[in-house]
Amino acid sequence: AQKVTQAQTEISVVEKEDVTLDCVYETRDTTYYLFWYKQPPSGELVFLIRRNSFDEQNEISGRYSWNFQKSTSSFNFTITASQVVDSAVYFCALRGAGNMLTFGGGTRLMVKP
Amino acid sequence: DVKVTQSSRYLVKRTGEKVFLECVQDMDHENMFWYRQDPGLGLRLIYFSYDVKMKEKGDIPEGYSVSREKKERFSLILESASTNQTSMYLCASSYTGLGANVLTFGAGSRLTVL
Repeated sequence: AQKVTQAQTEISVVEKEDVTLDCVYETRDTTYYLFWYKQPPSGELVFLIRRNSFDEQNEISGRYSWNFQKSTSSFNFTITASQVVDSAVYFCALRGAGNMLTFGGGTRLMVKP
Repeated sequence: DVKVTQSSRYLVKRTGEKVFLECVQDMDHENMFWYRQDPGLGLRLIYFSYDVKMKEKGDIPEGYSVSREKKERFSLILESASTNQTSMYLCASSYTGLGANVLTFGAGSRLTVL
């Protein structure tokens, strides 16, 4: 069985602060994929990133960066200089050998002006 | 530019009613999914379909059924709605193969069962 844990249920920051969303996963599969999705207030989840288990390079996309560490089974997401538009619920997800995604419980990020 | 459309954003039904949630995608995706979203529990997979007339149970299929008669349409059916099925329902679709699991989601259908 696989599991994704997002221990932070809610985070509140002030605009321009940096914020890191934690994601810890469990799987017995040696090949797997990790994902982050964003759910803005409109409700529609938006795909942000996918990483496979053999690629541990960190990735940066604008203000977003991801830190994948197999040694700690973590795939953390950092937003630099947060903005009000970053306010959303963020989900981490895992796909192992099966065909299904397992989602974490989500982290609600509130960025205040 | 709408890609996954869920027919109803908000529904209110009574216990015991039959409920249909419709989902249509225009991207010619093979796979379609129904998830349920509840606070603190994230998204849980109810059913998915990898082809027309094919379906597979997800993590929480009890109390639900699905129908996929056409590639672009995937329906979720609650035969006899109960209050514990009050939730947000999300439909998604994806390609098979390398694109699998990069899901495109609809905006969701919030169902309240009284």
